[in-house]
Amino acid sequence: DAGVIQSPRHEVTEMGQEVTLRCKLISGHNSLFWYRQTMMRGLELLIYFNNNVPIDDSGMPEDRFSAKMPNASFSTLKIQPSEPRDSAVYFCASSPTGVSPLHFGNGTRLTVT
Amino acid sequence: DAKTTQPPSMDCAEGRAANLPCNHSTISGNEYVYWYRQIHSQGPQYIIHGLKNNETNEMASLIITEDRKSSTLILPHATLRDTAVYYCIVMNNNAGNMLTFGGGTRLMVKP
Repeated sequence: DAGVIQSPRHEVTEMGQEVTLRCKLISGHNSLFWYRQTMMRGLELLIYFNNNVPIDDSGMPEDRFSAKMPNASFSTLKIQPSEPRDSAVYFCASSPTGVSPLHFGNGTRLTVT
Repeated sequence: DAKTTQPPSMDCAEGRAANLPCNHSTISGNEYVYWYRQIHSQGPQYIIHGLKNNETNEMASLIITEDRKSSTLILPHATLRDTAVYYCIVMNNNAGNMLTFGGGTRLMVKP
């Protein structure tokens, strides 16, 4: 199993541009989590899906952020328009059930200039 | 979910046991203790979890006190590759697996 796969590994963009981060879940997993990590705030949960349905999006910073699961194995996190304060490492994680350990990808490092 | 308190940093000599403490004095009866670690430039990695009994797997042992107000993660023979930030998380298994990470303990294993 290749694990959770995130792309790209690094993204550098200018303020105002749209950014799309991608995540491929481990086959058979049905829960998906997006986290953001910064030095100041540590690891923060942004949104949680179960069976492709968003269950809790209370961590999504504002309307500029949106996340989707177009199918059971893939998710996107979009920021439009991006701002410098969005610079962070974004992780996605999946798990086979609602109460199993999470498997994290290696993250996307986003830099917005 | 109950909050946890961990020392911000610890050192350990290579080959020795690393004992990482965690206080969770407000833990409730249906909350589990989870441990994850994050090696530099990688995503967090699950280590172990438990409810009230001590647990052991190929990576570590978890010792939970009888009153469940604290726990210790033990890496029996630390290696340089165990240098990482270790997170202790208390979570209600009805919370949909939504982990809340604190600051963790930065463990430095030294030769």
